[in-house]
Amino acid sequence: EPEVTQTPSHQVTQMGQEVILRCVPISNHLYFYWYRQILGQKVEFLVSFYNNEISEKSEIFDDQFSVERPDGSNFTLKIRSTKLEDSAMYFCASSESGPVTYEQYFGPGTRLTVT
Amino acid sequence: RKEVEQDPGPFNVPEGATVAFNCTYSNSASQSFFWYRQDCRKEPKLLMSVYSSGNEDGRFTAQLNRASQYISLLIRDSKLSDSATYLCVVLLGGSYGKLTFGQGTILTVHP
Repeated sequence: EPEVTQTPSHQVTQMGQEVILRCVPISNHLYFYWYRQILGQKVEFLVSFYNNEISEKSEIFDDQFSVERPDGSNFTLKIRSTKLEDSAMYFCASSESGPVTYEQYFGPGTRLTVT
Repeated sequence: RKEVEQDPGPFNVPEGATVAFNCTYSNSASQSFFWYRQDCRKEPKLLMSVYSSGNEDGRFTAQLNRASQYISLLIRDSKLSDSATYLCVVLLGGSYGKLTFGQGTILTVHP
């Protein structure tokens, strides 16, 4: 069964450093998403991406965040200058087609710890 | 009012029990509805989409009441493996895939 994969599974970084989280969506999917979940809190939407453009982003997704699809398979989330409050689980998701009706499938997540 | 509200539980039930979870959403423009399950420190896994007519998948039945802005999930014949957090998830109309999650309802099924 095809699945979304993410690397690394755990990333530890110092405050102020840049991190790049990587995702490989399901191969025939066209819509890609990033979510985060701070420990003990609910899952929160960050951004959706289609056709090499951001479709929608949340208030959390400020200028410190960026996304990219550098090639035909990877989808990345970059945090330019990490803060302590960026510590969270980051989930990548993808959906086959139109985001309104198609279900999103999540990767296993990257646990980001900012010290 | 929270966008998606769930009873956090926990629900502790014996194997074989029937358990029901409820969820309310605040935005009447919500268009699509889902139940996901999440095991501890794992990713949300899609359990089922929820349709206006109601739908069933094996032991799981989901219902949607648009007028009351209410979604439910019924689990029959609970198994130990059903122990997880159940997430009520809503997609707003006009949104480009922004899923809004509830806080989740914790279920523990014991022998």
